[in-house]
Amino acid sequence: DAGVIQSPRHEVTEMGQEVTLRCKPISGHNSLFWYRQTMMRGLELLIYFNNNVPIDDSGMPEDRFSAKMPNASFSTLKIQPSEPRDSAVYFCASSLRAGTGNTIYFGEGSWLTVV
Amino acid sequence: DQQVKQNSPSLSVQEGRISILNCDYTNSMFDYFLWYKKYPAEGPTFLISISSIKDKNEDGRFTVFLNKSAKHLSLHIVPSQPGDSAVYFCAASARGNTPLVFGKGTRLSVIA
Repeated sequence: DAGVIQSPRHEVTEMGQEVTLRCKPISGHNSLFWYRQTMMRGLELLIYFNNNVPIDDSGMPEDRFSAKMPNASFSTLKIQPSEPRDSAVYFCASSLRAGTGNTIYFGEGSWLTVV
Repeated sequence: DQQVKQNSPSLSVQEGRISILNCDYTNSMFDYFLWYKKYPAEGPTFLISISSIKDKNEDGRFTVFLNKSAKHLSLHIVPSQPGDSAVYFCAASARGNTPLVFGKGTRLSVIA
């Protein structure tokens, strides 16, 4: 079975450019999560969706960040304009649903470097 | 404020010995706890979980212990193997439709 698929795996961009990260969750999963991993903060939740609807975006650091889930099989995380401090690994994850008893499954991550 | 804390950023253990990774939490509403393992350049993968109705769950070389009164859980790996070298994340979720909250991770190095 295909797991969570993320693209691109690696992205190097210049400060000020727009970055779009893409995610395909596991088929049949109703919850999708975007996490960011940094040395200082570990794995922090940016936003999550249930049934394609954004439920909690309080982790999104700034208005420069936005996320969409137009259908059950696709989500994007966009940063516009990007800044060097956005450099991190961005993980997409999915689960049958959020909450107790539900294991979430991660993609391999998108490594973003903003120079 | 971090709700899930892993206070040891790193741990080194000799092959064959026991590895003990610790995790503390502050939210008394958490009732499901998980450990994830992460190798470099890969996403975290689920390792083992425990519900708050239990105090121990074992799966092969991996055992998770939960002490609800102390709001503490630990992951024991015995015997440790070099392939266990990775970053281990503790995670927790509360009742209802809430997502997992992760700790910052502990990097385990198993030395041959």
